[in-house]
Amino acid sequence: GAGVSQSPSNKVTEKGKDVELRCDPISGHTALYWYRQSLGQGLEFLIYFQGNSAPDKSGLPSDRFSAERTGGSVSTLTIQRTQQEDSAVYLCASSLGASGRQDTQYFGPGTRLTVL
Amino acid sequence: GNSVTQMEGPVTLSEEAFLTINCTYTATGYPSLFWYVQYPGEGLQLLLKATKADDKGSNKGFEATYRKETTSFHLEKGSVQVSDSAVYFCALWSRTGNQFYFGTGTSLTVIP
Repeated sequence: GAGVSQSPSNKVTEKGKDVELRCDPISGHTALYWYRQSLGQGLEFLIYFQGNSAPDKSGLPSDRFSAERTGGSVSTLTIQRTQQEDSAVYLCASSLGASGRQDTQYFGPGTRLTVL
Repeated sequence: GNSVTQMEGPVTLSEEAFLTINCTYTATGYPSLFWYVQYPGEGLQLLLKATKADDKGSNKGFEATYRKETTSFHLEKGSVQVSDSAVYFCALWSRTGNQFYFGTGTSLTVIP
């Protein structure tokens, strides 16, 4: 497709379970971002991938959160032992990466995670 | 630190009304400023941007002027349409923080 895609669109899980969220960026985009949007909050930066460089993980809220990007394309955000406060919309974005992090970002529709 | 504050919604307007969504920011250095829009069922997309003081970003009839003296980047449109119904996010990019900072979003509903 032409845009960023994310799956699943909705995920309901029980507290303590692990979840994986997937992001397919726009083909050719070297930069990929994950954000979290909790109810009533702005977008919270989680992690940034740029090409083959080590990712910037400075936004990950705890060691239960991890992300990888295989082959410089698809990315998976994993949350282990989910807690109710993890409930949020998780957004992925990609950009060309040519001008660093100020490049225009293209967002996916998000995954709404609900932890019961 | 860096942060963005935008007016809380939801905002409901009649078609052809004038729109203002306020946005103010706190930043170290000289940030770039953005408005993103999220239409129902779609991802956020860039609406307009301004990279230095006094610049005006514009797109689809929307405008915003980068005001350094008031640290503001208010979004305006002279005559809204039903198709403008969406959530609008103000954001800044800070070179010192090297990341984007987003506001909480303002939901706009335009009724015929």
